[in-house]
Amino acid sequence: DGGITQSPKYLFRKEGQNVTLSCEQNLNHDAMYWYRQDPGQGLRLIYYSQIVNDFQKGDIAEGYSVSREKKESFPLTVTSAQKNPTAFYLCASSAAGGTEAFFGQGTRLTVV
Amino acid sequence: KQEVTQIPAALSVPEGENLVLNCSFTDSAIYNLQWFRQDPGKGLTSLLLIQSSQREQTSGRLNASLDKSSGRSTLYIAASQPGDSATYLCAVRGSGGYNKLIFGAGTRLAVHP
Repeated sequence: DGGITQSPKYLFRKEGQNVTLSCEQNLNHDAMYWYRQDPGQGLRLIYYSQIVNDFQKGDIAEGYSVSREKKESFPLTVTSAQKNPTAFYLCASSAAGGTEAFFGQGTRLTVV
Repeated sequence: KQEVTQIPAALSVPEGENLVLNCSFTDSAIYNLQWFRQDPGKGLTSLLLIQSSQREQTSGRLNASLDKSSGRSTLYIAASQPGDSATYLCAVRGSGGYNKLIFGAGTRLAVHP
């Protein structure tokens, strides 16, 4: 069953803590993306990667970090430098050349 | 910088109506445009993908058109049903070597029986 798997579905972060959101895809896609969604707003791009071992900052990269060591995996770390991390995080992937993008089911992160 | 706008922000209609959702973008140099559906608390489901060379795409009761020169796309939903209630998002992918999707804020649709 091909698709994108995000885990966990819900995540709680304490002040000053780093947390990592998982994104795995078995679609053999080269490109992967992380978006943030806040209530009533569109999706904003955090980071994207077009190939293994390479990634670029999106529009709101401050306070976040990523790695792309394997084609299937693109984990996102929300660091303590991100002052307002409470949001819904969505991971996506697409084949090379900018074809149709597919999304995971999201992770809802809450600061407690 | 590419900006994507969706109008209206919200729409409430009775079942059976034909609907038009609008999406406009400021830079016409796009690679493709994609329409998505999002249910509350869920991820995005791809509905239709229109390449820059295409004028429209159809899937069941959905039809999406693209007028690249004027920077507009329209999603037409025929014979709306309560199950169509969701937020509809459009996104454009730029050309010129970059590959990211830029999203509008969405149209929240409610179809009541």
